[in-house]
Amino acid sequence: GAGVSQSPRYKVAKRGQDVALRCDPISGHVSLFWYQQALGQGPEFLTYFQNEAQLDKSGLPSDRFFAERPEGSVSTLKIQRTQQEDSAVYLCASSESGGSGNTIYFGEGSWLTVV
Amino acid sequence: KQEVTQIPAALSVPEGENLVLNCSFTDSAIYNLQWFRQDPGKGLTSLLLIQSSQREQTSGRLNASLDKSSGRSTLYIAASQPGDSATYLCAVRGQLTFGKGTKLSVIP
Repeated sequence: GAGVSQSPRYKVAKRGQDVALRCDPISGHVSLFWYQQALGQGPEFLTYFQNEAQLDKSGLPSDRFFAERPEGSVSTLKIQRTQQEDSAVYLCASSESGGSGNTIYFGEGSWLTVV
Repeated sequence: KQEVTQIPAALSVPEGENLVLNCSFTDSAIYNLQWFRQDPGKGLTSLLLIQSSQREQTSGRLNASLDKSSGRSTLYIAASQPGDSATYLCAVRGQLTFGKGTKLSVIP
């Protein structure tokens, strides 16, 4: 596709509900990142994939957060038993190769509100 | 752990002024530094990418510099326009660690 696509754009979840956020990276991009951005803050790293391999998940805040990219393209970020502090924008990004020299392109984010 | 700081947090300037946004980072062992723009309710748009071996990059009215040894980068915007109003974020690679951004308002 032309850019990184995320869905849903907006999600309201009741506390305790499970949510799944989808990311379609730019076609052919090897690297995929998930970030969490709270209001008024910069994005915080969650996890990184190179193809289907999850190489870094050090930013996932708890074991309620889980990400996968089973076929090396589309990725899903799942949050179980959502809490109010999970309310944030979840940003997905991709880059062309596994190297660190490439520009990273972001989607428009999934806005999660937990009530 | 890498920490990225952006100063000022907010900036308001009249249209036509030149301005400088600052970014500092604590660990100089970076692969590159990227400047982004974020409009309200939107994702991040990449503006400039500076590799660790480079000193500066230019795109139109934007010029970004990098001094790895001192852990600093600046984004220079020439002849600012109201359409430049947005939050500007810098991020360093490694892991792509972001600052909190500078919210820029250009007053017509």
